[in-house]
Amino acid sequence: NAGVTQTPKFQVLKTGQSMTLQCAQDMNHEYMSWYRQDPGMGLRLIHYSVGAGITDQGEVPNGYNVSRSTTEDFPLRLLSAAPSQTSVYFCASSSPSGRAGEQFFGPGTRLTVL
Amino acid sequence: AQTVTQSQPEMSVQEAETVTLSCTYDTSESDYYLFWYKQPPSRQMILVIRQEAYKQQNATENRFSVNFQKAAKSFSLKISDSQLGDAAMYFCAYTGGGTSYGKLTFGQGTILTVHP
Repeated sequence: NAGVTQTPKFQVLKTGQSMTLQCAQDMNHEYMSWYRQDPGMGLRLIHYSVGAGITDQGEVPNGYNVSRSTTEDFPLRLLSAAPSQTSVYFCASSSPSGRAGEQFFGPGTRLTVL
Repeated sequence: AQTVTQSQPEMSVQEAETVTLSCTYDTSESDYYLFWYKQPPSRQMILVIRQEAYKQQNATENRFSVNFQKAAKSFSLKISDSQLGDAAMYFCAYTGGGTSYGKLTFGQGTILTVHP
């Protein structure tokens, strides 16, 4: 199993550009999440999904869109990038039938917005 | 809303010694889970240890153990026989049960340095 994969690993954008961060998991997990990590603030939840077609906002959703058309994929879209979105982004997945609460993280994407 | 606080931005320990990282949390839920994650320079998030709130017994994983004080809402991590490979950022995290399940709330992190 590849676990949770994220692409790209690094990305530089100009203000106003759009892009999609890809996340995929091959563990048949129902739950998937996106977090951002900023210095001194730990990780914060952006968006969350409990299954295909079901998404919910987290703590910092503004400026980001998500959709979940399949169990495996959970892409994160930045429609108009801003310097405040410079961060490291992590995707995670979990299953309520697994070890309770345990989440599996992808390797992260470092995004810089100029 | 739940909050997680790590009051030690940095800690250091000598190799083979013991170190304790502190974490406090605030919640009104009765069903929840607590975690310690390790993040080495590679950036990968690695689960170190987990604790279910309904269990009174403190979790242990090899050299890692927790002191879970439910009434005080405290969840500290003890690393025994510290090794150079333990050097990393450590995050305390919380998730609730029910509709909160799977949504992690993280503390600010503690950078652990291990001196040879």
